[in-house]
Amino acid sequence: DGGITQSPKYLFRKEGQNVTLSCEQNLNHDAMYWYRQDPGQGLRLIYYSQIVNDFQKGDIAEGYSVSREKKESFPLTVTSAQKNPTAFYLCATHHTRGQGSGFNHQPQHFGDGTRLSIL
Amino acid sequence: QKEVEQNSGPLSVPEGAIASLNCTYSDRGSQSFFWYRQYSGKSPELIMFIYSNGDKEDGRFTAQLNKASQYVSLLIRDSQPSDSATYLCASSDNYGQNFVFGPGTRLSVLP
Repeated sequence: DGGITQSPKYLFRKEGQNVTLSCEQNLNHDAMYWYRQDPGQGLRLIYYSQIVNDFQKGDIAEGYSVSREKKESFPLTVTSAQKNPTAFYLCATHHTRGQGSGFNHQPQHFGDGTRLSIL
Repeated sequence: QKEVEQNSGPLSVPEGAIASLNCTYSDRGSQSFFWYRQYSGKSPELIMFIYSNGDKEDGRFTAQLNKASQYVSLLIRDSQPSDSATYLCASSDNYGQNFVFGPGTRLSVLP
């Protein structure tokens, strides 16, 4: 079954602890993204990666880290430096290859999300 | 700063009415536009995308794009209570880069 799998669905973090959120995809998409969503708010970009072994900071990267060692996986670590980690975390993928003309009108596709709370 | 703006709502419409959701964007380089529906506690799901000026219809949904006015809209005909959700507007450039999401409009369809 093709798709994006985020795990766990719910995660609790103790003070001073690092936690890692998993995102795995079998859509063969090159680009992957991490967003944070606070209650009643829009999506804020944390990190993104367009190819393996390369990633860029988004608007709110402080307190987070990522890796992209293989195309299918883009884990997000919420470090102890992130003082307010409680939020809904969404992983998205995007098919970056052009369509004949080189244009790309592909949307981003989202996983089901991970809800992180502080204990 | 590339921005996509939406009224946060809530937009309330009676069941069976047409719901009109609007979105404006600041970057003239934006070429593709996407509407996502997000139910409370769930992840966004794609409803429609549009990249040519004019209207695009899919069932009860119609997306409208006016690049000269930098304006995108989503019309939902015969609104149902199950359409109650937050609708996110997003844009990207011609090469699928520079994705920008709006803050979303909360729609409430009243039975």
